Amino acid sequence: AQSVAQPEDQVNVAEGNPLTVKCTYSVSGNPYLFWYVQYPNRGLQFLLKYITGDNLVKGSYGFEAEFNKSQTSFHLKKPSALVSDSALYFCAVRVLFSGGYNKLIFGAGTRLAVHP
Amino acid sequence: SAVISQKPSRDICQRGTSLTIQCQVDSQVTMMFWYRQQPGQSLTLIATANQGSEATYESGFVIDKFPISRPNLTFSTLTVSNMSPEDSSIYLCSVEAIAGGTDTQYFGPGTRLTVL
Repeated sequence: AQSVAQPEDQVNVAEGNPLTVKCTYSVSGNPYLFWYVQYPNRGLQFLLKYITGDNLVKGSYGFEAEFNKSQTSFHLKKPSALVSDSALYFCAVRVLFSGGYNKLIFGAGTRLAVHP
Repeated sequence: SAVISQKPSRDICQRGTSLTIQCQVDSQVTMMFWYRQQPGQSLTLIATANQGSEATYESGFVIDKFPISRPNLTFSTLTVSNMSPEDSSIYLCSVEAIAGGTDTQYFGPGTRLTVL
């Protein structure tokens, strides 16, 4: 079965420290991987994606993610966390079906709390 | 990216009634999606709505409960019918748009529904 796992319900980090939000996936074929962020009372905002090419993908707000095929992981990172980064983060994988139909499968989400 | 609006942004409804949620996009898109996010949960795809064809529903979701319209390439509606408190959720629409040469889903701000 195709799935996405975010093993941590919550990640706590001090402002200015590096942060990592973990994501592993299980899909057949080459994965299309995405990170989204959800601020309180807001919809999801697209951060970045990996399709092919360079394993290190850079996205919005200084975030980046590293694709690791051998470990089937796509961890989200930022060198220096900001209090304003505190939000709910979702990893997702795009699954393709015949006839051009596709859908996103989301992880359970990880709440990031950055403390001053 | 696409700019997506949803109406209403929130509503409080009585059980047994129905609510229609509107999703408007600022550009023509082929694929639109409707998701449900139950309190404290991740996103679950309800259905995919393509213009000119019947919506494709995911397992556990049926047309009688969640009828969808897609009259053109910039607009869709989702109706939550015969509501019960278990339908209290955030409902999000998303669209698939080309970003960096690959389709990416962009999300609306969501509709927060409370059923009493």
